[in-house]
Amino acid sequence: QVQLVQSGAEVKKPGSSVKVSCKASGGTFSTYVISWVRQAPGQGLEWMGGIIPIFGTPYYAQKFQGRVSITADESTSTAYMELNSLTFEDTAVYYCARAGVKQQLNWFDPWGQGTLVTVSS
Amino acid sequence: DIQMTQSPSSLSASVGDKVTITCQASQHISNSLNWYQQIPGKAPKLLIHDASNLETGVPSRFSGRGFGTDFTFTISSLQPEDIGTYYCQQYDNLPPGITFGGGTKVEIK
Repeated sequence: QVQLVQSGAEVKKPGSSVKVSCKASGGTFSTYVISWVRQAPGQGLEWMGGIIPIFGTPYYAQKFQGRVSITADESTSTAYMELNSLTFEDTAVYYCARAGVKQQLNWFDPWGQGTLVTVSS
Repeated sequence: DIQMTQSPSSLSASVGDKVTITCQASQHISNSLNWYQQIPGKAPKLLIHDASNLETGVPSRFSGRGFGTDFTFTISSLQPEDIGTYYCQQYDNLPPGITFGGGTKVEIK
C-alpha cells in the first residue's frame, strides 16, 4: 500500500517561494498522476496541478499557471511543488495525492499528511 | 472550466437519519464524480469513485448515484463518526482538470 509523506511546515515572507516535497513508499510511484491540492484555513479544496513522474510533463490549473512548478524525481520516488511570489492568500495546507488509476486523472487515494505553509511578514 | 455546485453547505441531523448531499456539474461529466469525507485536521478520505463505486472498507450506509450533471451522495443512517465535511470532485483528462465542490459540513443534532 503506497504511503505519501510530505515535508514539514514552512513560514515564508510575502514575495518569496516555497518548495514542498512528497515522498512515496510501499507502492508504485512513476506511472500514477501525483497531484497537489491546497486548502486555505476554513476553506474548501483546490486542485493546483499534477504530474506523471515517468513522463515528467506537468499540467497546472489555470489559476496557478506561471506561478507553480510541479516536478518529480523517479530515483527517489519524490514529487515537489514550488509556489512563487507568495502572498498572504497562499497560507494553506498543501496536500499531495496519488491518482487511483495509472496515467490518468481520476480520484485521489492515498493522500499525504499535508504541509502547512504560512505566509507572514 | 467545469464548476461544481454542492448543496447544502451544512446540515445538522440526528443519529439514524438519512442524509443526502447533491452536487451539480456545469456541464456533462458522465460518471466522473468522486466523494470524500474530511475530518478536521486530517487529509480527505476517498469514499466513492466514479459516482457510485464504494471504496473497499467504507461502510455500506454510504452510497452515491448520478450521471451527466446531477449527482447525489447519501448516508442511509447517520452515525456519530460520520461528522465532518464532505466534498464532491469531478475529473477530466481532455484537457486535464479537477474541480471540487464547495463542501458540506455534517453535524449531529
